Amino acid sequence: QSALTQPRSVSGSPGQSVTVSCTGTSSDVGVYNYVSWYQQHPGKAPKLMIYDVSKRPSGVPDRFSGSKSGNTASLTISGLQAEDEADYYCCSYAGSYTFYVFGTGTKVTVL
Amino acid sequence: EVQLVESGGGLVQPGGSLRLSCAASGFTFGSYDMTWVRQAPGKGLEWVSYISGGGSTIYYADSVKGRFSISRDNAKNSLFLQMNSLRAEDTAVYYCARESGSWYFDDWGQGTLVTVCS
Repeated sequence: QSALTQPRSVSGSPGQSVTVSCTGTSSDVGVYNYVSWYQQHPGKAPKLMIYDVSKRPSGVPDRFSGSKSGNTASLTISGLQAEDEADYYCCSYAGSYTFYVFGTGTKVTVL
Repeated sequence: EVQLVESGGGLVQPGGSLRLSCAASGFTFGSYDMTWVRQAPGKGLEWVSYISGGGSTIYYADSVKGRFSISRDNAKNSLFLQMNSLRAEDTAVYYCARESGSWYFDDWGQGTLVTVCS
């Protein structure tokens, strides 16, 4: 039940784009289109940003987008804003034995 | 508005027990599967346990299997996590989260801190 692999940190200037990767295996990310992404500000609960690889819940800005290729999912934040500075976690459904696996988390810093 | 409010956290000695509760409101509780997720201090998120809307299907992470027990009372709109044989590595903020129906969590509580320490 290993965690999905994410970079520890990514950074960008306001207005730039950043991409956070999430690498799993053929038992989770690679086989299921059930990757979700969560934003977490310090001391706060996680917030759903992307589900089913690339779908955005209502209320989430369209500068957040998701994609997947093989065993790696990605979250892209376009037009980076100060309020986007937070930790981001991916999560994948992994079948009826492991069930869910989260990513290691990525700190996004707005320079 | 969906609200999930956890309670029951606190300080407990290794080997001890604790029962967490999650009070739900703003939606038809029994129609939704629910999950517990935890986060150790300064660490990432870890899925802990899942229960279906009717309570008949339950799953646990290997790290808590045999020690934790998830349950729910749909008449009282409440979710529970009974934690036994607690270890230092169970120290974390425990969140309850609503399952969307498509393998993601669309609403989260604010969390309750469990500290296992002698």
